[in-house]
Amino acid sequence: GQQVMQIPQYQHVQEGEDFTTYCNSSTTLSNIQWYKQRPGGHPVFLIQLVKSGEVKKQKRLTFQFGEAKKNSSLHITATQTTDVGTYFCAGKVSNTGKLIFGQGTTLQVKP
Amino acid sequence: NAGVTQTPKFQVLKTGQSMTLQCAQDMNHEYMSWYRQDPGMGLRLIHYSVGAGITDQGEVPNGYNVSRSTTEDFPLRLLSAAPSQTSVYFCASSKQGATEAFFGQGTRLTVV
Repeated sequence: GQQVMQIPQYQHVQEGEDFTTYCNSSTTLSNIQWYKQRPGGHPVFLIQLVKSGEVKKQKRLTFQFGEAKKNSSLHITATQTTDVGTYFCAGKVSNTGKLIFGQGTTLQVKP
Repeated sequence: NAGVTQTPKFQVLKTGQSMTLQCAQDMNHEYMSWYRQDPGMGLRLIHYSVGAGITDQGEVPNGYNVSRSTTEDFPLRLLSAAPSQTSVYFCASSKQGATEAFFGQGTRLTVV
């Protein structure tokens, strides 16, 4: 079945440093979504990418979708303590609402 | 607007007991899903539904049953709890054709 792999599993950075998490799928994705989960919380939708090579920005967050639609990345510039949490990518299966999640990357930011 | 509501928030079960985790949404969403979250494993899909009366298995369905008799409710039943089912369970819903999935607050289940 469809698998989505995400690396790294953990990342510790000093506040102000950049952070990147990578997501790879075993199959071509129709689209990919990114979610953030704060410690003790539930996943919250950040963004969806649909087009090959698409790049979207949300303030300090940059999301990319690969040309082959099999990989994606999330880059955070100049991390802040409010960025702490686990970031998940998820491949969507068309017409089902079914999401296949990566393992997540847990970001710790030292002030 | 309550969104997705899960009950209970915490539960301790003995091995072999059965229970139902409740999930309700008030957004008239067609799609509903159950996930379990374990350390290092991300969110794994247990069962999902594309509408009332329609359910299908996800990645890890064994030991769980679901039904979808109404659009609003999607309960998850543990038939005979096992320690391996100790996890945090999330229910999610989304509208057909839309992008964003909305998650409930989660149920933390411990099986002893």
